[in-house]
Amino acid sequence: AQKVTQAQTEISVVEKEDVTLDCVYETRDTTYYLFWYKQPPSGELVFLIRRNSFDEQNEISGRYSWNFQKSTSSFNFTITASQVVDSAVYFCALSEAYDYTGANSKLTFGKGITLSVRP
Amino acid sequence: EAGVTQFPSHSVIEKGQTVTLRCDPISGHDNLYWYRRVMGKEIKFLLHFVKESKQDESGMPNNRFLAERTGGTYSTLKVQPAELEDSGVYFCASSPRDRVYEQYFGPGTRLTVT
Repeated sequence: AQKVTQAQTEISVVEKEDVTLDCVYETRDTTYYLFWYKQPPSGELVFLIRRNSFDEQNEISGRYSWNFQKSTSSFNFTITASQVVDSAVYFCALSEAYDYTGANSKLTFGKGITLSVRP
Repeated sequence: EAGVTQFPSHSVIEKGQTVTLRCDPISGHDNLYWYRRVMGKEIKFLLHFVKESKQDESGMPNNRFLAERTGGTYSTLKVQPAELEDSGVYFCASSPRDRVYEQYFGPGTRLTVT
């Protein structure tokens, strides 16, 4: 069975601080995908990143960076120089390898981390 | 391009009543998913349509839940009769056939059963 653990429930930082959101996953599959989603106050989940299990290269996108480590089954997300607009709930998710039919493409989510960035 | 839309945004019903939630996916997306988040818990998968066919309904909690996607366009999720534990936020997501992993989520329907 798959499981995603986001041990942090709420984080509060002051603007311009760096913040890391932790994600630990469990799966028996050798091929799988990891995701991060952002849920702003408007409610919809916004896709941030997808990483497959064969690609452990870290990724940076502007102020966002992701650290994928298979050895510790972790996929952590860092926001550098946080801004008030980063305030949201952040979800880490996992899916099995899926084929062109979409089979096994369902997402397994963690409980989410509520990030508050204060001015 | 319009995103995934869901209706209603909020529904309050009494235990034992019936409620139907609607999801309009992004036009042309073959894949449509329903998820649910109960207060304080994880977002959990309910089911997955590919066009009008149910690809995976392993997450449906019981036979009080019925999902349909007639014609492979919009989808409805009916809860009949509703119970208190059905309260939560129901999300719909869609993705295109050639980029299955790009699930676009709607804003959710908040269901409150009293």
